[in-house]
Amino acid sequence: AQTVTQSQPEMSVQEAETVTLSCTYDTSENNYYLFWYKQPPSRQMILVIRQEAYKQQNATENRFSVNFQKAAKSFSLKISDSQLGDTAMYFCALANAGGTSYGKLTFGQGTILTVHP
Amino acid sequence: EPEVTQTPSHQVTQMGQEVILRCVPISNHLYFYWYRQILGQKVEFLVSFYNNEISEKSEIFDDQFSVERPDGSNFTLKIRSTKLEDSAMYFCASRRSTEAYEQYFGPGTRLTVT
Repeated sequence: AQTVTQSQPEMSVQEAETVTLSCTYDTSENNYYLFWYKQPPSRQMILVIRQEAYKQQNATENRFSVNFQKAAKSFSLKISDSQLGDTAMYFCALANAGGTSYGKLTFGQGTILTVHP
Repeated sequence: EPEVTQTPSHQVTQMGQEVILRCVPISNHLYFYWYRQILGQKVEFLVSFYNNEISEKSEIFDDQFSVERPDGSNFTLKIRSTKLEDSAMYFCASRRSTEAYEQYFGPGTRLTVT
C-alpha cells in the first residue's frame, strides 16, 4: 500500500516571500512518480510539478521547485516570489509506475496556503 | 490547450436515484480515472480504465458504481442508487500514455444527494 502525508494543514506567507510545503510518503515500489497539485477555490485540480523517482535532480517549474529526498521519502514544494494567485489548497500525490500499476494517484490530506498582500 | 471537461458542474439528486456523471477526456489519452473528494477531505481514487476495461478499483467502488466509455470520447460514471454519503466532488482525469504518469483533471462535478 502507498501512503502520502502532509503534516501542515495550513500555511501562510507574505506576497513575494518564499514558502515551503512538506510531504512525506511511503511505497514499497522502487519506480514511482511524485506530483504537486494546486486546488484553488474553484476546486479545479491543476498540476504544478512532477518528479520521477529515478531522477536525482530536483524538478523546477518557474517559481516552483521541489526538494526530493528519496532515502527520507520526503518531497517538499518550494514556492518562490509568492503571488496572491498562489492562494489554494496544495496536494502532494504519488503514483507507482511499471509492473501491474495503472498509475492511480494517492493523495495527501492537503495544505491550505494563503498568500497575504 | 486540450483539457478534460465534465458535465454537469452541479447535480442535485434524491437518495435512491441513479445519476450519471459525464467526462470528455483529452482526445489522445489512453488512461482514464475517477476520483472523489468529500468536502474538506482528501481526494480519493475510485477507478481506473484502460483498453476499454476497468484496470483497478478501490474499495469505495462497489456494485453501485459503474463506468463506461460508450463512444470513444465520453467516459461516464454511474451511481445506481445514490446514498447521502455519495455527496462529494467527483473528478475525472486522463493520462496520455504508459510512459507519462501525470494526470490532467477536469473541473469536477459537485454531486449533492438529498
